[in-house]
Amino acid sequence: AQKITQTQPGMFVQEKEAVTLDCTYDTSDPSYGLFWYKQPSSGEMIFLIYQGSYDQQNATEGRYSLNFQKARKSANLVISASQLGDSAMYFCAMREPRGFSGGSNYKLTFGKGTLLTVNP
Amino acid sequence: GAGVSQSPSNKVTEKGKDVELRCDPISGHTALYWYRQSLGQGLEFLIYFQGNSAPDKSGLPSDRFSAERTGGSVSTLTIQRTQQEDSAVYLCASSPHDRGVAFFGQGTRLTVV
Repeated sequence: AQKITQTQPGMFVQEKEAVTLDCTYDTSDPSYGLFWYKQPSSGEMIFLIYQGSYDQQNATEGRYSLNFQKARKSANLVISASQLGDSAMYFCAMREPRGFSGGSNYKLTFGKGTLLTVNP
Repeated sequence: GAGVSQSPSNKVTEKGKDVELRCDPISGHTALYWYRQSLGQGLEFLIYFQGNSAPDKSGLPSDRFSAERTGGSVSTLTIQRTQQEDSAVYLCASSPHDRGVAFFGQGTRLTVV
């Protein structure tokens, strides 16, 4: 079963506008963490933002904010005032202390990604 | 350096040869992960180290794949008798502890011809 779902293979946004990248997740564990990473064409994975399942407030990091709706199991990334340099692949990921194997493992499970293109 | 360092950045090898991929994590990070990124499969978990031990090797695709970590630092991923389906980008990440943010290296692009 797919645990992280990113339904938007590609998104386009005009420079200086805001954009929301969708992410839904599936877990039965009450303790988990949600991450967003950016992967430009150079290939490096850049950490953007983190939300813990017990965090009361939505995470924010500069122009990035995470719209965390726990009951709906969604963790959408909002990028405000898009810049040309934001054009990249964006991955949503979840960390659970216990995977299906039942062992202790804090690995990340990634979605398929969303390719964001910022137009001038 | 301050970040996770992987070498080589690119590797082209002939089918059937063995390859070794190296990862230097951020100093002091106890958790280390290997992932594989390919066009058809996205990002796949391979193995997780806590210190020098690997409590989870469940993502290694076959017994041709192995990894070790020494001194709680450098890790080496070895692929024996490489096959064309092994072609991918191999990413290493380290984290200060199990619950910490994972920081990634720039990856090693492996091409098996």
